[in-house]
Amino acid sequence: AQRVTQPEKLLSVFKGAPVELKCNYSYSGSPELFWYVQYSRQRLQLLLRHISRESIKGFTADLNKGETSFHLKKPFAQEEDSAMYYCALRNSGAGSYQLTFGKGTKLSVIP
Amino acid sequence: EAGVTQSPTHLIKTRGQQATLRCSPISGHTSVYWYQQALGLGLQFLLWYDEGEERNRGNFPPRFSGRQFPNYSSELNVNALELEDSALYLCASSLRGGTGELFFGEGSRLTVL
Repeated sequence: AQRVTQPEKLLSVFKGAPVELKCNYSYSGSPELFWYVQYSRQRLQLLLRHISRESIKGFTADLNKGETSFHLKKPFAQEEDSAMYYCALRNSGAGSYQLTFGKGTKLSVIP
Repeated sequence: EAGVTQSPTHLIKTRGQQATLRCSPISGHTSVYWYQQALGLGLQFLLWYDEGEERNRGNFPPRFSGRQFPNYSSELNVNALELEDSALYLCASSLRGGTGELFFGEGSRLTVL
């Protein structure tokens, strides 16, 4: 069965410090991974996906199949990065396209 | 363009009653997904509808059911409510076979007393 693990419930960093939100997954097929973010009083939204290999709001994430990880990183945290972050795995096998989410990590950036 | 809309925003029921939650997807989206977000449990996949058919369901009992209408809007029904059904229910929509991006609504908060 597929699983997404985010080991940290809460991560606090100072403004300007590097950020790394951890995500590990278990999946027997070829994974598609995503990071979703929920800012205060806003709805859950896509931040980035691994296939795009893009940087969004200074965040990047690299899929490491050997370590089955998809950690989210940003070199210099900003106060507006404070939010709830969810790692998600898309199951594209057997015609199923729903996402399996981790339990989320709350990032708090201290001014 | 309007996003995914859900109603009601809040719903209070008592044990044993039935709850009905509604979702309107983004125009042009044919897939609707339902997730339960209970305290401390993250987002748990409930149901996936596409083109009017139930395509997949998560590990929830049969008293969680739903349907998708010809206009692609969807309804989630929870029968014989239990206290542990208290949660935020999120609806999301997407293009079928798309990039995997889900567009979420703001959710319906169900409280079971």
